[in-house]
Amino acid sequence: SQELEQSPQSLIVQEGKNLTINCTSSKTLYGLYWYKQKYGEGLIFLMMLQKGGEEKSHEKITAKLDEKKQQSSLHITASQPSHAGIYLCGAFMIYNQGGKLIFGQGTELSVKP
Amino acid sequence: GAVVSQHPSWVICKSGTSVKIECRSLDFQATTMFWYRQFPKQSLMLMATSNEGSKATYEQGVEKDKFLINHASLTLSTLTVTSAHPEDSSFYICSARVLFSGIPIYNEQFFGPGTRLTVL
Repeated sequence: SQELEQSPQSLIVQEGKNLTINCTSSKTLYGLYWYKQKYGEGLIFLMMLQKGGEEKSHEKITAKLDEKKQQSSLHITASQPSHAGIYLCGAFMIYNQGGKLIFGQGTELSVKP
Repeated sequence: GAVVSQHPSWVICKSGTSVKIECRSLDFQATTMFWYRQFPKQSLMLMATSNEGSKATYEQGVEKDKFLINHASLTLSTLTVTSAHPEDSSFYICSARVLFSGIPIYNEQFFGPGTRLTVL
């Protein structure tokens, strides 16, 4: 089973519209990362959230981590074609053998001009 | 931010041959590097955690003898896909963790640009 659930898996929006991508974990999140990727390329770091209730913004992208630290949302305001790509949430999970960064399934965003 | 490079960025090989992929941290030392695999339209799946000077820790379902990982120095980890087959074709991405703090969760992880492997 997927430890990090992202929704939706794909999204098509008209340019100028707002959108939200969600990332949910069954465990407490100690560090939640949002990345953007163009398929076949590396990851672009967007934001990292650590504290419950934390909210960060960069240009037209805002990410929040809920108080219980088990869900995060990424909100894009007035979407543009340049926002198109795959958005991945990543979470630092603690295991007996240490910690590791794992990813949700990804959300493929298309923005229609 | 810190830079991680991968080489090659793209490789095509014949079935049965071995392919080595290098991951380098260019301006920092990384005690821990990670190897991920990504299939088309899918997310990144962690394959193994590579610690400098010790054996790699593989995720469940990843064949150790198939995917050999060597982390010989604080700036270089290599992934060798042995006896590659078409099903090994994938996008491989490495990442390196910068040790800012003794607490792992506060250490940022930087990703390489990825290596596309195509096995004919």
